[in-house]
Amino acid sequence: SQQGEEDPQALSIQEGENATMNCSYKTSINNLQWYRQNSGRGLVHLILIRSNEREKHSGRLRVTLDTSKKSSSLLITASRAADTASYFCATGSSGGGGNKLTFGTGTQLKVEL
Amino acid sequence: GAVVSQHPSWVICKSGTSVKIECRSLDFQATTMFWYRQFPKQSLMLMATSNEGSKATYEQGVEKDKFLINHASLTLSTLTVTSAHPEDSSFYICSAAPPLQETQYFGPGTRLLVL
Repeated sequence: SQQGEEDPQALSIQEGENATMNCSYKTSINNLQWYRQNSGRGLVHLILIRSNEREKHSGRLRVTLDTSKKSSSLLITASRAADTASYFCATGSSGGGGNKLTFGTGTQLKVEL
Repeated sequence: GAVVSQHPSWVICKSGTSVKIECRSLDFQATTMFWYRQFPKQSLMLMATSNEGSKATYEQGVEKDKFLINHASLTLSTLTVTSAHPEDSSFYICSAAPPLQETQYFGPGTRLLVL
């Protein structure tokens, strides 16, 4: 299986704390994307980082990519209860609309009040 | 952002029947759409790549005669689960990307329960 792994599998934190999730993958990539999924719902795209980028920010999100280690991390700062969801990394092997994604195993984040 | 819809959002059917799920890109054209399957508390597994005007490309282990894919227009792909059995019960999700974009936009998913 080419599926990547995420760590931790589950994370429980208090509101206001930061949450860090890690993703490792196995093959060379064109880009890596992070998605969020609320229980029983579809996926919401959070951020995309290309293979030639090392760090990217979007609001409270910070993503890093280390292609030499084949790993990425997602940091959510000042977490809120509404951030409770499952987070998945997905690697893309080509550009454009035919960008087939391989998903990681996911991290279930719970943010408590 | 781009919007992808799916219909129906959930379906319950008897074993042996066929179920069709539609995936539409509402505000963009997509020559390629993707179909995923997700079991409870697990990740998404790519089933097949749907190509407009040509045959779908199936991932290893996915039966093409079991999961029929038709991508008849640039905004619609359908997945038909033929002769469904209880083990086909799952959450099916489609995705598509606007031309020249790498970001995939996902539909809300279809929950299938086969009795």
